[in-house]
Amino acid sequence: SQTIHQWPATLVQPVGSPLSLECTVEGTSNPNLYWYRQAAGRGLQLLFYSVGIGQISSEVPQNLSASRPQDRQFILSSKKLLLSDSGFYLCAWSVPGADTQYFGPGTRLTVL
Amino acid sequence: GENVEQHPSTLSVQEGDSAVIKCTYSDSASNYFPWYKQELGKRPQLIIDIRSNVGEKKDQRIAVTLNKTAKHFSLHITETQPEDSAVYFCAASKGSYDKVIFGPGTSLSVIP
Repeated sequence: SQTIHQWPATLVQPVGSPLSLECTVEGTSNPNLYWYRQAAGRGLQLLFYSVGIGQISSEVPQNLSASRPQDRQFILSSKKLLLSDSGFYLCAWSVPGADTQYFGPGTRLTVL
Repeated sequence: GENVEQHPSTLSVQEGDSAVIKCTYSDSASNYFPWYKQELGKRPQLIIDIRSNVGEKKDQRIAVTLNKTAKHFSLHITETQPEDSAVYFCAASKGSYDKVIFGPGTSLSVIP
C-alpha cells in the first residue's frame, strides 16, 4: 500500500532563516505531488504541483520554491522566511490518471 | 479558473440531527467532486467523492448529491455523532491531470 511521509512534523524558525520541508511517497511510481499551505483556521492554498521529476508548476508567487529531485520526493524551500509563512504545510499525492489526492501528516511551521 | 464556494462556514447541530453542506463551482468542465474531513490538527481525509456521471452517492451515514446543470453539490450527514465534528472541505476538478480546487471549508460542531 502507499504511504506518504513528511518531516519535520513541527518547526519553529526565526524570520529570515531558510526552510526545507521534505515529502516522500512510498509504494507507487511517478505520482503527482502537491504542496498546500493552510493558515490557522483557513482553507487549503495550493502552492506547487509536480507531474514528474524536475517538473514544477507554481500557483502562487511568493518567497517559496519547490523541487523534485527524485521520483517520489518533493521538497519545499525558502531562502528567507517571513512571518506570513507560518502555517500548516501539507504534501499530497495522486496516482497519474486518477483524481483522488491523499494528504501527508503535515508540517506545522511557526515563524517568529 | 475554477472557483469553489462553500456554505455555511460554520454549522452547529444537535447529536442525531442531519447536517447539510452545500458547494457551488464555476467551471462546467469539472467532473470530479471529492469531500474531505479534517479533524483539529490533522490532515484532511477523503470521506466520499462523486463523478459527473452520477447524481448521488451514499456511504452509510454520508451522502453526496450533484446537480451539474446548476453546478452545485452537497454533503449530507445523517444521525450526526460528536465524532463528526470537524472541518469539511468540498473540492472540484476537471480530471486526473487537473488541479483540485478546494472550497473554504465548513466547521461542523455536533452538540451532544
